Amino acid sequence: DTAVSQTPKYLVTQMGNDKSIKCEQNLGHDTMYWYKQDSKKFLKIMFSYNNKELIINETVPNRFSPKSPDKAHLNLHINSLELGDSAVYFCASSHILRTGELFFGEGSRLTVL
Amino acid sequence: GQQLNQSPQSMFIQEGEDVSMNCTSSSIFNTWLWYKQDPGEGPVLLIALYKAGELTSNGRLTAQFGITRKDSFLNISASIPSDVGIYFCAGDSGDSNYQLIWGAGTKLIIKP
Repeated sequence: DTAVSQTPKYLVTQMGNDKSIKCEQNLGHDTMYWYKQDSKKFLKIMFSYNNKELIINETVPNRFSPKSPDKAHLNLHINSLELGDSAVYFCASSHILRTGELFFGEGSRLTVL
Repeated sequence: GQQLNQSPQSMFIQEGEDVSMNCTSSSIFNTWLWYKQDPGEGPVLLIALYKAGELTSNGRLTAQFGITRKDSFLNISASIPSDVGIYFCAGDSGDSNYQLIWGAGTKLIIKP
């Protein structure tokens, strides 16, 4: 069983569309995250979500919104996609918020045309 | 946002060589972590360091938490082909939001 799983793995779409990426973890962790990795491989945290508390990186456009139906799921919804949104998006989880020991999913490669 | 200075950016080495990479910060960190990312995969935690001066090994990998708390290094001994990938350092500066700060990565390439 994959510990942190994301779908879809690849997503190609047109500018202006709305899309979602789903993430599920079966580790029983309390905290989940979304990261963006650009073409230069920089990892940038977008959101962390712990016990219904959302911590947002202030540089993330409000077109991006995380949605957590329960502790094991954290989905990422993106409105009005732009070319610059093309990247690999990683979901991750950790046992608690104040730890750097993260478990990452395999990533979802988003290409905006 | 704040970023760690990770070097070198890339390394071309022969199989069997030892590898060394490091990360520095302008501020004090409480935790240092080293991750490895294989192509097409997410980063995987290699070593976590929680105390200044701490030296920790994981197989052929050894990492140290600098005594000044502003740096860390990772050594890989006797490199093998599966060591290829991108190595990231990350740290916790203890801010209230607890957002890890990440280095830009060191890409390890093994010459055939």
